[in-house]
Amino acid sequence: GAGVSQTPSNKVTEKGKYVELRCDPISGHTALYWYRQSLGQGPEFLIYFQGTGAADDSGLPNDRFFAVRPEGSVSTLKIQRTERGDSAVYLCASSSRLAGDTQYFGPGTRLTVL
Amino acid sequence: QKEVEQDPGPLSVPEGAIVSLNCTYSNSAFQYFMWYRQYSRKGPELLMYTYSSGNKEDGRFTAQVDKSSKYISLFIRDSQPSDSATYLCAVAQGGSEKLVFGKGTKLTVNP
Repeated sequence: GAGVSQTPSNKVTEKGKYVELRCDPISGHTALYWYRQSLGQGPEFLIYFQGTGAADDSGLPNDRFFAVRPEGSVSTLKIQRTERGDSAVYLCASSSRLAGDTQYFGPGTRLTVL
Repeated sequence: QKEVEQDPGPLSVPEGAIVSLNCTYSNSAFQYFMWYRQYSRKGPELLMYTYSSGNKEDGRFTAQVDKSSKYISLFIRDSQPSDSATYLCAVAQGGSEKLVFGKGTKLTVNP
């Protein structure tokens, strides 16, 4: 595709439920990043993949959050036992050395936990 | 103290004005500096990217970095209503490292 795509665009869930958010990076981009943006704040880093492996997961807030990228392309961010404080826009970005490491962002998934 | 400080505004200017947006950062290890523009309910899009002190110009936009003061700026000349958006500064330690963002400054350019 032409850009980073994320699905779903909106997700409403109830407290305690499990959710999965998907990111399709730009074709050929080896690096993939997840960020979380709360209302009125800048994006905050969650996790970074280089290929299939998580190169830096220091931003994951706790063990309810997990992300995978099994084939080095699509990534899924998984949140267990959701809490109201998890409500935010979850942004995905991808980059490649050939593109100067510029991070290109998707439109985000707006998660609302009731 | 947050790693990157940015005045959230909001900032409202008339069309044609020169806009100045600023950020400060605390860690001298940051070597890469970016400005992103974010329209409402959209993802951030990269405007300017630099890794050295000094000025970088691209059309109506000029990015300025002063590493000695840990201060970065974005200037917009001849501002247009279509420039109305939130502007986010971002810094990174390395080329493919995680980005650390400021809070963003919401700009409105009035016709």
